[in-house]
Amino acid sequence: GAGVSQSPSNKVTEKGKDVELRCDPISGHTALYWYRQSLGQGLEFLIYFQGNSAPDKSGLPSDRFSAERTGGSVSTLTIQRTQQEDSAVYLCASNQQGPLVLYGYTFGSGTRLTVV
Amino acid sequence: DQQVKQNSPSLSVQEGRISILNCDYTNSMFDYFLWYKKYPAEGPTFLISISSIKDKNEDGRFTVFLNKSAKHLSLHIVPSQPGDSAVYFCAASPPLSGNTPLVFGKGTRLSVIA
Repeated sequence: GAGVSQSPSNKVTEKGKDVELRCDPISGHTALYWYRQSLGQGLEFLIYFQGNSAPDKSGLPSDRFSAERTGGSVSTLTIQRTQQEDSAVYLCASNQQGPLVLYGYTFGSGTRLTVV
Repeated sequence: DQQVKQNSPSLSVQEGRISILNCDYTNSMFDYFLWYKKYPAEGPTFLISISSIKDKNEDGRFTVFLNKSAKHLSLHIVPSQPGDSAVYFCAASPPLSGNTPLVFGKGTRLSVIA
């Protein structure tokens, strides 16, 4: 597609339930990143993929968080047994190979997750 | 420990005047610096960047200045327009090895008053 697509755009879930967030990157972009922005905070790195591999998972806050990417394209971020502190906007970004300073990342519009 | 700091959560500027947004960093190994702009309910969009080998990069109304010795960069918007009202994030790139993730600051909310 023309841009990075994320779904759903909004998700309200009950504490303790599992949620899945989806990201469709720009076609041909090999690198895919997940960040989240909690209220009053900056963009917190969660995980990134190069192809289907995740070289850096260091940002995942706990073992309740996991992510996968299939076919070098779509990625799914799963949060198990959601807690209220998981409430945030989850942003996905992708970028093409090449000088980062020229291209930056292209972000999706995010999924606003609210855990009640 | 925050490696990229934007110490001003918000800034108000009159239309037509200059907006200056500041960013400090702690890691002297950062290679590239980028600014992103974010409107409500949208993802951040890439605005302008600078390599660590330069001290200035200009693109239309936007100029980014880098002071490596002070580990400080700033974004100047001249003249400021109401449509510039948004949250601006400073980001830094660790030394390139693959696609090492950008490190972002907390953002500065700019309000341009007509």
